Order: sequence, then structure tokens, then C-alpha cells
Amino acid sequence: DTAVSQTPKYLVTQMGNDKSIKCEQNLGHDTMYWYKQDSKKFLKIMFSYNNKELIINETVPNRFSPKSPDKAHLNLHINSLELGDSAVYFCASSPTSGMYTDTQYFGPGTRLTVL
Amino acid sequence: RKEVEQDPGPFNVPEGATVAFNCTYSNSASQSFFWYRQDCRKEPKLLMSVYSSGNEDGRFTAQLNRASQYISLLIRDSKLSDSATYLCVVIGGGADGLTFGKGTHLIIQP
Repeated sequence: DTAVSQTPKYLVTQMGNDKSIKCEQNLGHDTMYWYKQDSKKFLKIMFSYNNKELIINETVPNRFSPKSPDKAHLNLHINSLELGDSAVYFCASSPTSGMYTDTQYFGPGTRLTVL
Repeated sequence: RKEVEQDPGPFNVPEGATVAFNCTYSNSASQSFFWYRQDCRKEPKLLMSVYSSGNEDGRFTAQLNRASQYISLLIRDSKLSDSATYLCVVIGGGADGLTFGKGTHLIIQP
């Protein structure tokens, strides 16, 4: 069984479009995250949710809006896509909450290409 | 000074050799440290936590030097399958709370 899953795996879209990436974890973890890994392989945290509540919100354009319908899901919606949004987006989960986290379990990533 | 820094490499190492690399961090209040491994076009996976007293897991040894503010990873008897990018993670005390290094690319050569 997949622990952290993301859909879609690949997403190619035009500039200006709105798109969503979905994430689900079946580990029973309380905390979920979104990371962006750019072309230089730099992995940077974007958001963190604990039990459906936002606890980390880094300096990310407000075109990016996370939504957590329940603690097993954390979706990422992106409005008005720009070329610079092209990256791999990883979802992750961890059993503990807050910034002092334990092991993070990553999803397989969503490779977003904006044309 | 950047919060978490790693030598990006690549480190080209012959199979069977010992290799070590460091990760420096800027915030002395940092509390937790980890090493993750990321294979090409794959997600990062936890390799090991780094404890104050140092810890060993098979061929891998992780150390923390709080005085000099760095963590290290030592790989003994390197295997071809060790080829990957090794990311350090520093948690607590920084503006982000959780920060990944940019990774060190290791290539084990036959």
C-alpha cells in the first residue's frame, strides 16, 4: 500500500491556467506538508498543516492555496500559473506536529511544467 | 551566511572507499538534525537521524558537532547503490523552522 500518494504525477499546462495537485496519506499522521523542489534541486517547505489547521506558511505567492478537507488529505491549488512555478512538488507527512518534526514521509512528487 | 550549507559535489568515489561529507548550519538554536537520501527523479527518504552522541547504522555513521555547528555523514565500504544525493535537514531555531540543505551528490564508481 502506498503511504503518501500524489496525483497527478506529471502536469503540463499553459501559463495563466489554474491547477490542483492532490495528496493523501494512509499513515494516520497528524501533519502534512507541501514542498517545492526547483530545477536546482533546492527543496523548500511551502506549507504545513496539523489536523487540518495551517501551522507553517512560508513566503509563497498567494496564488498558492492549500486545502485540507481532513487530516489524511492536503491538496494544493495554484491560480494563474507562471513559468517560474515549474518544479517538482512533493507532499509529505509526519507523525508529530509543529516545527520540531520527526521523520517525514514523502510522496512520489508531481512534476509541473508550465509552458 | 545561508542557514544550511552543503558542498554540492559531485563526489566521485571508487567502490569500497570511505567517503564523508558535512553540512553546516547557522543557527545555534537548531534542535534536530537528519540525513535524507534522494535518488534521481525520486522522493527524499530518511536515511538516519543525527543524535548528539553520534549514531551508526551499518556502514553509515552520523555525527553532530554543536560547537562548530555542523553535522557529518560517513559511509564506509561504499557500494554502487550508495550513489544518490544526500540532503541534510536542520529543524528548529531558524526562520523556516525546518530547512533542507541543497544536497551533496555522490557517485560511486566501479
